[in-house]
Amino acid sequence: EVQLVESGGGVVRPGGSLRLSCGASGFTFDDYGMNWVRQVPGKGLEWVSGVDWRGSSAGYVDSVKGRFTISRDNAKNSLYLQMNSLRAEDTALYYCARVGGAGGLYYGRYDFWGHGILVTVSA
Amino acid sequence: EIVLTQSPGTLSLSPGERATLSCRASQGISSNYLAWYQQKPGQAPRLLIYGSSNRATGVPDRFSGSGSGTDFTLTISRLEPEDFAVYYCHQYFSSSRITFGQGTRLDIK
Repeated sequence: EVQLVESGGGVVRPGGSLRLSCGASGFTFDDYGMNWVRQVPGKGLEWVSGVDWRGSSAGYVDSVKGRFTISRDNAKNSLYLQMNSLRAEDTALYYCARVGGAGGLYYGRYDFWGHGILVTVSA
Repeated sequence: EIVLTQSPGTLSLSPGERATLSCRASQGISSNYLAWYQQKPGQAPRLLIYGSSNRATGVPDRFSGSGSGTDFTLTISRLEPEDFAVYYCHQYFSSSRITFGQGTRLDIK
């Protein structure tokens, strides 16, 4: 059974940093691209970042470029999102999602999602 | 950036009725790169349709997708009580500008 479990969320002050993790199980992790998608509670979905199977190619939404860094450790079956210079508008539920049917690329349909982890940026 | 506009914002229907949800792209995209998701309160989104018209594993055949270019449609042929949820379209044609529609809420009438 495919499982994605996010961790590392919490409350942080504006300008602070957090590192999100996503532990994967039930599939061959390094066969798949992985993404982070966020959702302000009660609002819509927003793509944040994606990384290919090797960790060599990545993309970011413009609003997080230069502040967030996506990475992965295939030996540990884990995906990460380092978030620096956090702003109030980064407050959201962050989902880890697997990219299906894309041959390891970071862009494609999301066939499995984690349950999400809440990040709150507040003074 | 490719903007996806979903309509209507809210759709109120009764079980057994047919639902038609629209997703319009601000520029043409290949139908291979358009997906639909269902999200229920307190849950993560669930993949329904990918490549515009392919049902994901385990998705009932009352769900179907169609469209090309800038206009895409998700149809639910006969609504079941568990289908009332929020639906999002998603384009991954532009790899550096992946976007979602704002969602359509399907309510019980």
